[in-house]
Amino acid sequence: DTAVSQTPKYLVTQMGNDKSIKCEQNLGHDTMYWYKQDSKKFLKIMFSYNNKELIINETVPNRFSPKSPDKAHLNLHINSLELGDSAVYFCASSQDLAGGSSPPAFFGQGTRLTVV
Amino acid sequence: TQLLEQSPQFLSIQEGENLTVYCNSSSVFSSLQWYRQEPGEGPVLLVTVVTGGEVKKLKRLTFQFGDARKDSSLHITAAQPGDTGLYLCAGSPNTGGFKTIFGAGTRLFVKA
Repeated sequence: DTAVSQTPKYLVTQMGNDKSIKCEQNLGHDTMYWYKQDSKKFLKIMFSYNNKELIINETVPNRFSPKSPDKAHLNLHINSLELGDSAVYFCASSQDLAGGSSPPAFFGQGTRLTVV
Repeated sequence: TQLLEQSPQFLSIQEGENLTVYCNSSSVFSSLQWYRQEPGEGPVLLVTVVTGGEVKKLKRLTFQFGDARKDSSLHITAAQPGDTGLYLCAGSPNTGGFKTIFGAGTRLFVKA
């Protein structure tokens, strides 16, 4: 059983299109994340949701809109795709601790987005 | 802005050699994590250290958190080709794991 699963794994699309990436975790975790990994492998936080509520939005263009229909799902919708959006996008999850939130524990396999 | 700097950026060694990679910051973190990422996969959490000076061992891997909780090191003894991968450190501030930031990684290649 895959703990954090993302679909699709690969996505090639033209500039200007709108696309969505889906993420599901079966771990019962409270927090889910979206990270962007650029060509230099640098991982940057985009969004963090805790129990379906947005906790962090790290200066991401408003063309990116996360949606969490329930605690186990965090989808990412991207409008008007640009060449610079090409990257690998990772979903992750973590379980809250008694003292607060914990860092991302499980990552999905990633979605490689290529905008042409 | 909190930053984590990892060194070296790239390391190529022979099987059986020992190595140490470093993760440094001018900021204090409440915890620090090490992940390994293989091509086409997501990062896999190896360890979390939370106490200044803490040392954790995972088979041939030894992780240390600096006394001031600003830096960390990962030492691998007798490296094997299976250790090849991108090693990422990540730090969580006192405000919580939501704000975990990542270093740029050390790419390790172990030759047989």
